[in-house]
Amino acid sequence: DIQMTQSPSTLSASVGDRVTISCRASQSITNWLAWYQLKPGKAPKLLIYKASSLESGVPSRFSGSGSGTEFTLTISSLQPDDFATYYCQQYNSSWTFGQGTKVEIK
Amino acid sequence: QVQLVESGGGVVQPGRSLRLSCEASGFTFSNYGMHWVRQAPGKGLEWVAVIWFDGSNKYYADSVRGRFSISRDNSKNTLYLQMNSLRAEDTAVYYCAKDQRRAAAPGTPGYWGQGTLVTVSS
Repeated sequence: DIQMTQSPSTLSASVGDRVTISCRASQSITNWLAWYQLKPGKAPKLLIYKASSLESGVPSRFSGSGSGTEFTLTISSLQPDDFATYYCQQYNSSWTFGQGTKVEIK
Repeated sequence: QVQLVESGGGVVQPGRSLRLSCEASGFTFSNYGMHWVRQAPGKGLEWVAVIWFDGSNKYYADSVRGRFSISRDNSKNTLYLQMNSLRAEDTAVYYCAKDQRRAAAPGTPGYWGQGTLVTVSS
């Protein structure tokens, strides 16, 4: 089974900050990686698919990069609506989520 | 627009069964694979099961294989999750999600419902 490890688990940041979240796969998943945003009481939202493709309607301040085993989600300028928990997910072999990264207000 | 509405959650005793439903609208249901994903209280997301757009293939997480069964009725635009032999650790919000890929082997969940809460407790 492929394991996904995110870092950090929690991130404190201010509005306007550049934020980077890392995700590592236990084996190569080529570019079959997605990023999701989760807020309490709301449906999870797909942000990025295929490692770097921006889902329709998602603000351009979100971007994804990486391939193989190392991936990154970047928020170029953190906005108030972005305080949430973010998950990476591999879909190269079955489907596995990372443990999540909570982005909180500094 | 796309809508996914889950139902069937509630409180159930350990060892009992429950069936969740997910009613879809706003897209051609029979063209898309569908997933179930859950989130236990205070925990992260866990993928549960997937079914191909035509129902030809189904896959499950190790934690539910042999106890849960995913199915769909394309004539009713509805996805199901039959959950048997429920355990306390199955307590979670269960989300259904539409796959991104049309008429193909599933990729990643694209659009999600709001979820339904299942509580397994005596």
